[in-house]
Amino acid sequence: DQQVKQNSPSLSVQEGRISILNCDYTNSMFDYFLWYKKYPAEGPTFLISISSIKDKNEDGRFTVFLNKSAKHLSLHIVPSQPGDSAVYFCAFLSEKLVFGKGTKLTVNP
Amino acid sequence: KAGVTQTPRYLIKTRGQQVTLSCSPISGHRSVSWYQQTPGQGLQFLFEYFSETQRNKGNFPGRFSGRQFSNSRSEMNVSTLELGDSALYLCASSASGYEQYFGPGTRLTVT
Repeated sequence: DQQVKQNSPSLSVQEGRISILNCDYTNSMFDYFLWYKKYPAEGPTFLISISSIKDKNEDGRFTVFLNKSAKHLSLHIVPSQPGDSAVYFCAFLSEKLVFGKGTKLTVNP
Repeated sequence: KAGVTQTPRYLIKTRGQQVTLSCSPISGHRSVSWYQQTPGQGLQFLFEYFSETQRNKGNFPGRFSGRQFSNSRSEMNVSTLELGDSALYLCASSASGYEQYFGPGTRLTVT
């Protein structure tokens, strides 16, 4: 069963605009949520995280929102830059990290 | 601080053979996890080691095994390779158990 869903396999935005990446989960036992970014031929890079007791966490251009009632996680990137083009994975931690299948973000100059 | 290193970076093996992959975690990190990434399945958890003990295990057959040494370095072994084992194998280390830091991966091709 797929506990984590990233329903958009790809997203394309213009430089300077907002990128919104979404993730839905089914397991209420998840207590820590993370976003990773992955470039081709590299391992995923940790981006930002949020614990289940919060609903928002910011780090520079990156903001993660958690809606526990809807079991929904989102990542906002503002403003988007061409260097942000990568595959973004949401991940959820219970006893282990469970990853979504990723969303490929393309930021066009 | 040096990052997570994995060797080898690329590997080609034949069906039926076995393979051993190596991972050196970030200095001071005692937790090492292994993941398999394939285009169809995304990142799937294999197992986690902490202080030389397997702490968690994913849903993979017994052909996949691992171990961790006293210096926290870890190895992963796959026996009787199958074509479907072709994947990127990623190792991640963690100090807190929350944020995990990944190595560049080992690309295994089984022919």
